[in-house]
Amino acid sequence: DTGVSQDPRHKITKRGQNVTFRCDPISEHNRLYWYRQTLGQGPEFLTYFQNEAQLEKSRLLSDRFSAERPKGSFSTLEIQRTEQGDSAMYLCASEGDRNTEAFFGQGTRLTVV
Amino acid sequence: AQSVTQLGSHVSVSEGALVLLRCNYSSSVPPYLFWYVQYPNQGLQLLLKYTTGATLVKGINGFEAEFKKSETSFHLTKPSAHMSDAAEYFCAVSGRVTGGGNKLTFGTGTQLKVEL
Repeated sequence: DTGVSQDPRHKITKRGQNVTFRCDPISEHNRLYWYRQTLGQGPEFLTYFQNEAQLEKSRLLSDRFSAERPKGSFSTLEIQRTEQGDSAMYLCASEGDRNTEAFFGQGTRLTVV
Repeated sequence: AQSVTQLGSHVSVSEGALVLLRCNYSSSVPPYLFWYVQYPNQGLQLLLKYTTGATLVKGINGFEAEFKKSETSFHLTKPSAHMSDAAEYFCAVSGRVTGGGNKLTFGTGTQLKVEL
């Protein structure tokens, strides 16, 4: 088990482009979370999956953002028509049913130019 | 709703000195509390957590924290700082989400600097 894996680690994109990030959770962890962290701030919750079901979304998740977890394993986070304000670190975390501890990936740092 | 306040965005200590990072929380339900550490351009690593039971919890790398309900605090301490402790530290409180998950609300973080 290699922990939570995120890809890519860094992404630079032009404003208006679409980007997609991937998260591979720890195997058999049925809970998966996405967080966003801007410079100088703590991570902020974006969305939560239990298996393939997206059960909660933050108001931070505008209609340009969509997340999926089609088979209850890996997850993707897509941002359409990126804006400079989307520049941030996007963190994925996974958690087992009986855990009270979320394990974080190393994050994807997005820069919108 | 939950919230976390970390007093002091930057803390500087000498190597070998006591580390004290402050965290106060607000929660409408009995809280689960966490301290995470983040090194530059890395994800978050759990240092320790409080769920129930003993209010003094010990974590990795010699850190510990005490849950004080009356003060709504969960301060992080380490008796003797090491250069490798220099990093950003986040306090977090857990709130329940639909389906039984644990959504974390983080503080704004405290950057710890350790000087020779």
